[in-house]
Amino acid sequence: EIVMTQSPATLSVSPGERATLSCRASQSVSSNLAWYQLKPGQAPRLLIYDVSTRATGIPARFSGSGSGTEFTLTISSLQSEDFAVYYCQQYNYWLFTFGQGTKLEIK
Amino acid sequence: EVQLVESGGGLVQPGGSLRLSCAASGFTFSNYWMHWARQVPGKGLMWVSRINTDGKITDYADSVKGRFTISRDNAKNTLYLQMNSLRDEDTAIYYCVSDPVGGTNYWGQGTLVTVSS
Repeated sequence: EIVMTQSPATLSVSPGERATLSCRASQSVSSNLAWYQLKPGQAPRLLIYDVSTRATGIPARFSGSGSGTEFTLTISSLQSEDFAVYYCQQYNYWLFTFGQGTKLEIK
Repeated sequence: EVQLVESGGGLVQPGGSLRLSCAASGFTFSNYWMHWARQVPGKGLMWVSRINTDGKITDYADSVKGRFTISRDNAKNTLYLQMNSLRDEDTAIYYCVSDPVGGTNYWGQGTLVTVSS
């Protein structure tokens, strides 16, 4: 099973600033890496797939980068609705696995 | 509009069974792999199972293998998850998830399964 490790566990950022979230895979997952946003009482929302492709309807302030085992989600100019928990997920190997999440909170 | 609507969750005793259903609409259900994922409230996400378009290929997380069975009825546009020998640690919100359709995947609203005596 591929282990996905996210850092930091909690990130405190002020509205309007940039947030950078990291994700590391225990072995290469090629470009089969996605990012999800999770808010209380809602289903997960796909933000990014294939490392850097924004899902339908996702604002341009969300961007993804990386390759192999190291990946980054960047949110430029944070909006109030962006404060949530973010998960990376690999889908290169079954079992698809998620990281433990990064909570993005208002500073 | 793509919609996935889960049903069948509830409270069950350890060792009991439940069958979850997911009614799909707004896309050609029979053309897409489908999945079940779960979230323990307040905790992380876990992929549970997946099934191919004709139902002949299935995969499971090790923690549910031999206890859960995924299936689909393409004529009814419905995905199922039969859950047997339920354990306390199976308590979670269960989501039906589509493979990507038009640039995103779709998740249902979730159905809560509570395993408790």
